[in-house]
Amino acid sequence: EPEVTQTPSHQVTQMGQEVILRCVPISNHLYFYWYRQILGQKVEFLVSFYNNEISEKSEIFDDQFSVERPDGSNFTLKIRSTKLEDSAMYFCASLIRAYNSPLHFGNGTRLTVT
Amino acid sequence: GIQVEQSPPDLILQEGANSTLRCNFSDSVNNLQWFHQNPWGQLINLFYIPSGTKQNGRLSATTVATERYSLLYISSSQTTDSGVYFCAVEQETSYDKVIFGPGTSLSVIP
Repeated sequence: EPEVTQTPSHQVTQMGQEVILRCVPISNHLYFYWYRQILGQKVEFLVSFYNNEISEKSEIFDDQFSVERPDGSNFTLKIRSTKLEDSAMYFCASLIRAYNSPLHFGNGTRLTVT
Repeated sequence: GIQVEQSPPDLILQEGANSTLRCNFSDSVNNLQWFHQNPWGQLINLFYIPSGTKQNGRLSATTVATERYSLLYISSSQTTDSGVYFCAVEQETSYDKVIFGPGTSLSVIP
C-alpha cells in the first residue's frame, strides 16, 4: 500500500538555525498537510496546501514557517530560525481529494532544538 | 472553529477487558477518523468513519453524525493496544483543516 514518507526521522538542530523537513506524499494525492505534536500533547494543525498554494493555516504557522512543493513530488516545511519551543514531532499528511477520503500520515520527524 | 472532546482522558484496562472511547464534536463534519498513536509515535489510521458503523477485528467504531459523536470499541484488549487514541474531524465548512481531539491514553496491563 502506498504511504507518505518523511525524512529524516530525527533531526537535531541548534537554536536559530534553519531546518527543512521533507515529505513525499502519496503520488496521486492532491492535498497536503503539516501537523505538529509537542511531546505529550495533542496533534496540532499547522497548514494545508492545495494547487501550489496554502489553503488554510493556523495561528502557529507564523512568518518563521513556510511550505513548498518544489518538484511535484516532495513537500517541505521550512522553519527559518528555530526556537527551543519548536521541538516537537512534525507529521506530514496527504489526501486524495477534499471530501470523503481519509488523511494518510507519515511516520513523523522528531525535531529537537538545542 | 470546531471543538473536539474525547473521554475518558486516561484509561487503564486489564488484558482481555472491553472498553468504549468517546469523541464529541461541536459542529457538522465531513470526515471523521480514529487513529492509534503507538509508543513509537506513529499515527496508525484505524477507521475512516464520517457516519455509520465499521468493524475491523477486535475494533469497531460508530459515528452518529446527527448527534455529533463517535464511539470506538475495543474488545478483548491486548497489551499492544496501549497508546493514545485520537479522533480527528474535518469541519463541514472548513474542508482543508482536520482537527484532532486531545486523545485518550490507554494502558492495557497483563
